[in-house]
Amino acid sequence: DADVTQTPRNRITKTGKRIMLECSQTKGHDRMYWYRQDPGLGLRLIYYSFDVKDINKGEISDGYSVSRQAQAKFSLSLESAIPNQTALYFCATSDSGATDTQYFGPGTRLTVL
Amino acid sequence: GENVEQHPSTLSVQEGDSAVIKCTYSDSASNYFPWYKQELGKRPQLIIDIRSNVGEKKDQRIAVTLNKTAKHFSLHITETQPEDSAVYFCAASSFRNTGKLIFGQGTTLQVKP
Repeated sequence: DADVTQTPRNRITKTGKRIMLECSQTKGHDRMYWYRQDPGLGLRLIYYSFDVKDINKGEISDGYSVSRQAQAKFSLSLESAIPNQTALYFCATSDSGATDTQYFGPGTRLTVL
Repeated sequence: GENVEQHPSTLSVQEGDSAVIKCTYSDSASNYFPWYKQELGKRPQLIIDIRSNVGEKKDQRIAVTLNKTAKHFSLHITETQPEDSAVYFCAASSFRNTGKLIFGQGTTLQVKP
């Protein structure tokens, strides 16, 4: 949906660099999520936030950190990128007051050399 | 921990045939089961979902069935068309972790004209 945006869409970086991926939404949803997608592994949850100041670890949080700066913004950071963090990263949102449907952003393709 | 297994990983059918994708889940408290479709280069999008108080749900050519006793659910696509070619993901969440989805590994469906 155009209402969930991610920046950058593509990023190539080197091992050891700090990287931040940003997600913004205009849906007014309170819940936001970060996933990574790898071939054959599906979508794996990195971190999620059910409101501002609420941060929860997902399945694969090691090597990542997040910040929920406002209800509409949720950033994912790689403090010191490594090659096995090369993947497609998706942000998603949902509304706690409605269904559990998650709406995904367009994705960020990250390559760590 | 919670786990969702999805099979097959790839599926090839002739246009007009039916396709079935199956998922099993480990958490007996799971009560929400969505299916997402991801076209090549695009974001995952919800196509159908089912809750644990319902055994089957249909929407035109797609249907989902749920067997709570066996802890598995399936996606059925009838009269397949080339535009059905995509990666399909199942997911599950429980009332204990409402809003947090655990995804299957994905199925790449190819519909041959």
